[in-house]
Amino acid sequence: AQSVTQPDIHITVSEGASLELRCNYSYGATPYLFWYVQSPGQGLQLLLKYFSGDTLVQGIKGFEAEFKRSQSSFNLRKPSVHWSDAAEYFCAVGGNTDKLIFGTGTRLQVFP
Amino acid sequence: EPEVTQTPSHQVTQMGQEVILRCVPISNHLYFYWYRQILGQKVEFLVSFYNNEISEKSEIFDDQFSVERPDGSNFTLKIRSTKLEDSAMYFCASTWDSTDTQYFGPGTRLTVL
Repeated sequence: AQSVTQPDIHITVSEGASLELRCNYSYGATPYLFWYVQSPGQGLQLLLKYFSGDTLVQGIKGFEAEFKRSQSSFNLRKPSVHWSDAAEYFCAVGGNTDKLIFGTGTRLQVFP
Repeated sequence: EPEVTQTPSHQVTQMGQEVILRCVPISNHLYFYWYRQILGQKVEFLVSFYNNEISEKSEIFDDQFSVERPDGSNFTLKIRSTKLEDSAMYFCASTWDSTDTQYFGPGTRLTVL
């Protein structure tokens, strides 16, 4: 079955600390992988995506993610978190059909 | 930068009433989607639409739901007889190619009383 797992429901970090949000997927075909961010009351904004090629992808706002096929993972990282990064982060997978399958999300809280 | 827009931002309705949620996708996009997010839960796919017909729909998208592209710019989701459990945030998305990035609108929060 196709699915996305984000094992961390809630993460709290201090401003300036590094961040890693985990994402694991199960998908029968070659996956296309996405990270979206949702601020309170807002829509979904694309942070970055992986389709093919270099497995380390750079996104907006200083985020990056690494695709590891052997681990079925696509973890999101940022070296130094800013208070404005507080939001909900969703990992999603697509591929041979065009619907996106989302994870349950990770809520990031940033302390000053 | 082009963006997907949705109206209204918030809709309150009585159970059993019909609602129409409206979306204006990015103008040169060809594929259109509706997703929903029940409060506190993950975003779920409802339906995809291409070339004036549904290309895929989820189990959630039953006979009470319908989609339409009535003109060259709008994409609508109709719920014929709303239920309490239809209360959710509904997101519209569009893309140029079915395997490319989907761009999401800001959502319509539907509250069924």
